[in-house]
Amino acid sequence: EVQLWESGGGLVQPGGSLRLSCVASGFTFSSYGMTWVRQAPGKGLDWVSVISGSGGTTFYADSVRGRFTISRDNSKNTLYLQMNSLRAEDTAVYYCAKARTGSYSWLDLWGQGTLVTVSS
Amino acid sequence: QSVLTQPPSASGTPGQRVTISCSGSSSNIGINTVNWYQQLPRTAPRLLIFNNNQRPSGVPDRFSGSKSGTSASLAISGLQSEDEADYYCAAWDDSLNGVLFGGGTKLTVL
Repeated sequence: EVQLWESGGGLVQPGGSLRLSCVASGFTFSSYGMTWVRQAPGKGLDWVSVISGSGGTTFYADSVRGRFTISRDNSKNTLYLQMNSLRAEDTAVYYCAKARTGSYSWLDLWGQGTLVTVSS
Repeated sequence: QSVLTQPPSASGTPGQRVTISCSGSSSNIGINTVNWYQQLPRTAPRLLIFNNNQRPSGVPDRFSGSKSGTSASLAISGLQSEDEADYYCAAWDDSLNGVLFGGGTKLTVL
């Protein structure tokens, strides 16, 4: 079955760190760019970061650059998001999504999301 | 604040046709393709339209997309109650080197 499954969310204090994982199945993981998109409670979609299929190219939203790091392990079909120096405004459901070749805004498969809450 | 501008809400009665607009600029919609996403209540988003006007398999042909210049539109014809959801446009921005989402439009079926 073609699917994405996120994990690693939870409650963390401001300034803390968390690492999210996204396990892929049912497709050739290394052939596709992968993206993280978040959604704060009651708010719209907010793009976070994207990584190319090889892992050699990454892009970040200004709001997370320097604090978050996207990476992937193609041998494990797994995408990661290392989140450091977390702030209250990072509280959101974090989705991983598969990006089609040639268009990083073309996201044809989404996970169910994992909730990150940053609070003291 | 989203750089892609959508109306916050839209509504229609069953059977009607509604359109949702998405306004961008020369660095995003003007030179890149637009994709649309549907998010039903308490679920993850799903791809609705890709490459401006293409439908993935499984998406009814009641949904259609178009693009002209720096704007795009999503049209839903024969409105049904199950279409009640949030709709988002998205495009790559060459100046920001990132994906932009519209602020989202909440569609209500009256």
